[in-house]
Amino acid sequence: NAGVMQNPRHLVRRRGQEARLRCSPMKGHSHVYWYRQLPEEGLKFMVYLQKENIIDESGMPKERFSAEFPKEGPSILRIQQVVRGDSAAYFCASSQGSANEAFFGQGTRLTVV
Amino acid sequence: AQTVTQSQPEMSVQEAETVTLSCTYDTSESNYYLFWYKQPPSRQMILVIRQEAYKQQNATENRFSVNFQKAAKSFSLKISDSQLGDTAMYFCAPREGGGSEKLVFGKGTKLTVNP
Repeated sequence: NAGVMQNPRHLVRRRGQEARLRCSPMKGHSHVYWYRQLPEEGLKFMVYLQKENIIDESGMPKERFSAEFPKEGPSILRIQQVVRGDSAAYFCASSQGSANEAFFGQGTRLTVV
Repeated sequence: AQTVTQSQPEMSVQEAETVTLSCTYDTSESNYYLFWYKQPPSRQMILVIRQEAYKQQNATENRFSVNFQKAAKSFSLKISDSQLGDTAMYFCAPREGGGSEKLVFGKGTKLTVNP
């Protein structure tokens, strides 16, 4: 059973470009969470999704950021018109349900130049 | 919203010795879960141990155990017989309920195990 798969592992974008981060949850997991980690900081919650539904997006910036988890395929975190402050590690986690522990992917390190 | 305080930014311990990492949190909920995650230099987030708040018995997982004091909102992690591979950042993370189930992370404690 493969773990949570995130790709790419490293992503470099110029200011103003779009970044698309992908997350394939563990087999049998229908709950996906996205977190952002700035240097020397803990992870900060961004969004919680179940298949085709956003359950909690209280941690998402109001502009430029969006997330989806379609019926088929991976979850996508999309950042439009990236700025230098978006540079961070973005982690995806998945679980079988809200009462179960979440397993994390290895993260995508986004660098905006 | 919950707040999590890990008051020890860095700690070090000799191999084979015991170390305790502290964590306090603030929540208005009565039933919740608490987790410790480790993040080695590879950056992978690895679950170390979990505790359910309604259980009075402290969780244990091999060399890792917790001291959970619900009234004091304290959730410390004890690592016994420390090994070099335990060197990592350790994050305390309560999980909110109420439909969100999101983890709220502290800033972490950097643990170094010395040979």
